[in-house]
Amino acid sequence: GAVVSQHPSRVICKSGTSVKIECRSLDFQATTMFWYRQFPKKSLMLMATSNEGSKATYEQGVEKDKFLINHASLTLSTLTVTSAHPEDSSFYICSASRDRQDQPQHFGDGTRLSIL
Amino acid sequence: GQNIDQPTEMTATEGAIVQINCTYQTSGFNGLFWYQQHAGEAPTFLSYNVLDGLEEKGRFSSFLSRSKGYSYLLLKELQMKDSASYLCAVSTNTGGFKTIFGAGTRLFVKA
Repeated sequence: GAVVSQHPSRVICKSGTSVKIECRSLDFQATTMFWYRQFPKKSLMLMATSNEGSKATYEQGVEKDKFLINHASLTLSTLTVTSAHPEDSSFYICSASRDRQDQPQHFGDGTRLSIL
Repeated sequence: GQNIDQPTEMTATEGAIVQINCTYQTSGFNGLFWYQQHAGEAPTFLSYNVLDGLEEKGRFSSFLSRSKGYSYLLLKELQMKDSASYLCAVSTNTGGFKTIFGAGTRLFVKA
């Protein structure tokens, strides 16, 4: 069964709306979770590393004020796309792994965000 | 910098064998993963290599040469359901663990 749960799976909303996406690790604690963005037929682009109890680490070129990340507990990280615009439409995926370097990333099912 | 290269697309016949290559240049190497991703779905884990050599798991095998910065994924007895994207990903530890993904290889399996 799934070990990482991501909700919602699909969001369609108007431009200017803020959208929150949740990522939960179901049977393990994850001090670190990752948020990716994927365009059609392209690879996963790491947006940020979500760190439990501290600030997220953003990759170069990712606006931290645009993509707010909160990791308030060992099993939950949230990504909020603030004041979304059509160019923010994409497939957003979170992942988590047990805290060992040889453990694979377990991915949520992804959130398809469409901004009208 | 970090760089991972793999072919964009490959086509193979049902029942055949296909090898998907991946070359990488990264710092703080901590292992290499292969994932499978069907269209519109999240990636699923296939294999992990951290030492040189071949890891076999059913119809799928993965090889790693750290000195050459090279890996391949071997799929045997291809089935139509193997049509998907295959992502080569490197685990690195430079200022914290993270996984860097290649662009993926889209495999088309034809009858």
